Amino acid sequence: AQSVTQLGSHVSVSEGALVLLRCNYSSSVPPYLFWYVQYPNQGLQLLLKYTSAATLVKGINGFEAEFKKSETSFHLTKPSAHMSDAAEYFCAVSRPPGGYQKVTFGTGTKLQVIP
Amino acid sequence: NAGVTQTPKFQVLKTGQSMTLQCAQDMNHNSMYWYRQDPGMGLRLIYYSASEGTTDKGEVPNGYNVSRLNKREFSLRLESAAPSQTSVYFCASSPRLAGDEWTGTDTQYFGPGTRLTVL
Repeated sequence: AQSVTQLGSHVSVSEGALVLLRCNYSSSVPPYLFWYVQYPNQGLQLLLKYTSAATLVKGINGFEAEFKKSETSFHLTKPSAHMSDAAEYFCAVSRPPGGYQKVTFGTGTKLQVIP
Repeated sequence: NAGVTQTPKFQVLKTGQSMTLQCAQDMNHNSMYWYRQDPGMGLRLIYYSASEGTTDKGEVPNGYNVSRLNKREFSLRLESAAPSQTSVYFCASSPRLAGDEWTGTDTQYFGPGTRLTVL
């Protein structure tokens, strides 16, 4: 069975500070991993995804994430937080080919950016 | 392109009432999904449709039915609403490659959601 754990349901950072949102995965096979962002009253949109190519993945809006197999982690970072980054962020994992694409989402981390 | 659209945006039902949530996508995607989002629980898959003409249960299908009307539209029906079905419902679609194999790498595109309250 596959799953993801997001550490911290709420994270607060000051504007201009480093953003670090944590995600650890559990999968019996090499996973595909995603980060989605949800702005208030909107649906989710893809920030970035890892599909077994480069372990450092760059996404939209200056976000990036590094796949670390030894730590089973896929943490999301951004060097400098903007007010517009305030949103809820979801880590997700899916199965490799051979099964139906069940994407398992984490419980989400709400990011607050303090001016 | 409108992407994924959902109607209605808000709905209040009484216990036992029925309703259908509508979803449409204009991206020519093969696969479509229905999720519910509850505080502290992330998104949970209710039903999905791998391609036009097929539907399958997800994690939490009880109390729901779906119809893949055509390639564009995928509706979710609550036959007899219960307070436990109070939630935000999201429809999503993904391209998926032709054939039976799931790549696992598909990006899902989400609609804006329907906020449903069952009293």
